[in-house]
Amino acid sequence: GDSVTQMEGPVTLSEEAFLTINCTYTATGYPSLFWYVQYPGEGLQLLLKATKADDKGSNKGFEATYRKETTSFHLEKGSVQVSDSAVYFCALSRQAGTALIFGKGTTLSVSS
Amino acid sequence: DADVTQTPRNRITKTGKRIMLECSQTKGHDRMYWYRQDPGLGLRLIYYSFDVKDINKGEISDGYSVSRQAQAKFSLSLESAIPNQTALYFCATSGIGRSPNEQFFGPGTRLTVL
Repeated sequence: GDSVTQMEGPVTLSEEAFLTINCTYTATGYPSLFWYVQYPGEGLQLLLKATKADDKGSNKGFEATYRKETTSFHLEKGSVQVSDSAVYFCALSRQAGTALIFGKGTTLSVSS
Repeated sequence: DADVTQTPRNRITKTGKRIMLECSQTKGHDRMYWYRQDPGLGLRLIYYSFDVKDINKGEISDGYSVSRQAQAKFSLSLESAIPNQTALYFCATSGIGRSPNEQFFGPGTRLTVL
């Protein structure tokens, strides 16, 4: 079945460091790919998305590129801030409007 | 005001009790979902509904039931709560249109079963 695998955390970085959180997926066809972020005590918010191969999603300085050949959707940010501390979830959806399949989440902690 | 609301936000109950978690949305979306989040396991789908007359089981529906009372309301019930149902529960919605895959999440309900 479909699945999402993301790197285990926690990831601990200093402010202004470069961030990469790896995400790979298994699915037939061409799923849509997402990154969601969960700040402490809150629900999940969509961070960025990509709906076809080679698309790049971007938001708030974060980027991820849909790589069909490597079935990957790695999240990157050039300079993290303390306010980026959160749990990040990679997810996929095979069809429009269907339920999301999530990875297990990666906790990011950024210190000043 | 929040677009997706969940009540209660926190609940502590005892084994064997029946519990209902409620979700309401003002986004006008047809599709609603219930997920549970456990540490280290991510989110897993319990039930989903594509409209008022449509209810579907998700990955982990055993021990749960749902009711779609109206387009805007989707309730999750634990018929007889057990300790391993202690988790954070999220409701989500999505709509047909420009971004049909995007789901919008409520703030979550933290449930503890003693």
